[in-house]
Amino acid sequence: EPEVTQTPSHQVTQMGQEVILRCVPISNHLYFYWYRQILGQKVEFLVSFYNNEISEKSEIFDDQFSVERPDGSNFTLKIRSTKLEDSAMYFCASGALHEQYFGPGTRLTVT
Amino acid sequence: SQQGEEDPQALSIQEGENATMNCSYKTSINNLQWYRQNSGRGLVHLILIRSNEREKHSGRLRVTLDTSKKSSSLLITASRAADTASYFCATFGGTSYGKLTFGQGTILTVHP
Repeated sequence: EPEVTQTPSHQVTQMGQEVILRCVPISNHLYFYWYRQILGQKVEFLVSFYNNEISEKSEIFDDQFSVERPDGSNFTLKIRSTKLEDSAMYFCASGALHEQYFGPGTRLTVT
Repeated sequence: SQQGEEDPQALSIQEGENATMNCSYKTSINNLQWYRQNSGRGLVHLILIRSNEREKHSGRLRVTLDTSKKSSSLLITASRAADTASYFCATFGGTSYGKLTFGQGTILTVHP
């Protein structure tokens, strides 16, 4: 059964460093998403991506964040200059409008 | 308060008992979905119920939706220790590109 994959599973970085989180969505899906979950809190929407552009983003998704689909298969989330409060589990999802399939997540720890 | 709030926040039951979790939301929705998350792991989609549906079943899961009360419930019958996880409802408003709004979740513990 096809699934969304994410790499790495755990990333540790120092404050101020750039990180790129990678996702491989399910191949015939057209909509792509990033969500994050700070430890002990609810899952929060970051951004949706359709037709090679951002279709919606939350107030969390500021200028420090960017997304890209560089080669038609990978979908990446870049954080330019990480802050301590960026520590969270980041989930990629792909799918249709009404149903999304989530990846296993990347745990980002900013020290 | 926020879209998609579950209660109770935590539920502890014995194996074989039924578990009921509730979710309330504030704005109109296109559908409501329930997800499960094992500790520190990814989100697993359980069931989706559309705004024009009132009840849906999938195996031991039963979901109800009352759009007049803006609430939904998830019932897990004959619970097993393996059902121990966090359960989240997520709403899709239908006016955006698939953005899901998640609730705080219910932590379910099933004791063997």
